[in-house]
Amino acid sequence: DTEVTQTPKHLVMGMTNKKSLKCEQHMGHRAMYWYKQKAKKPPELMFVYSYEKLSINESVPSRFSPECPNSSLLNLHLHALQPEDSALYLCASSQERAVGVLSHGYTFGSGTRLTVV
Amino acid sequence: SQELEQSPQSLIVQEGKNLTINCTSSKTLYGLYWYKQKYGEGLIFLMMLQKGGEEKSHEKITAKLDEKKQQSSLHITASQPSHAGIYLCGALPFYNQGGKLIFGQGTELSVKP
Repeated sequence: DTEVTQTPKHLVMGMTNKKSLKCEQHMGHRAMYWYKQKAKKPPELMFVYSYEKLSINESVPSRFSPECPNSSLLNLHLHALQPEDSALYLCASSQERAVGVLSHGYTFGSGTRLTVV
Repeated sequence: SQELEQSPQSLIVQEGKNLTINCTSSKTLYGLYWYKQKYGEGLIFLMMLQKGGEEKSHEKITAKLDEKKQQSSLHITASQPSHAGIYLCGALPFYNQGGKLIFGQGTELSVKP
């Protein structure tokens, strides 16, 4: 299995809702990432988990709460989002947090298209 | 901080034509990654370059990293509609902040049949 699976593919939520995005990989990768991508912009890093511990938080607002229950799963809990948070949320994984150069890059999921109304 | 600049931002070519996309870094590159993205979908890893002067090919796509390791080019030979999409270059900053892959702005490629 060489995939990163993200669910749901599409999500519409109100500003008072609580929802979660899920990401799963079974490649034995020990680093997992959340990226946010606005239309016509490159992905921007939000969080990095290494060996199930949060190692990087790119000053993301607290209405986004990541969770890594085990080495295969990564969640992003959403609460009280704003319309400007509407974007494509991408999950990625790599063999480990890149110390040096990763020869095979990151494996990305197909993303969750989030719309906040 | 390290920045990646891609050119052109968009490109429309006739099917069968060759094309080149460039990625220039403000600092020395310690690993340069090329990805392809269809609109609204995830990124597909194409190839990674690390050594100055390195060149890699996959099917009709060839990527090169210059000797100074500050510029990479992606060349597509005999383009096909299946090549259409957004091409992103990505790099790990030289100080390698533990996995923080940064991206260029992307090049949107359209191939006219």
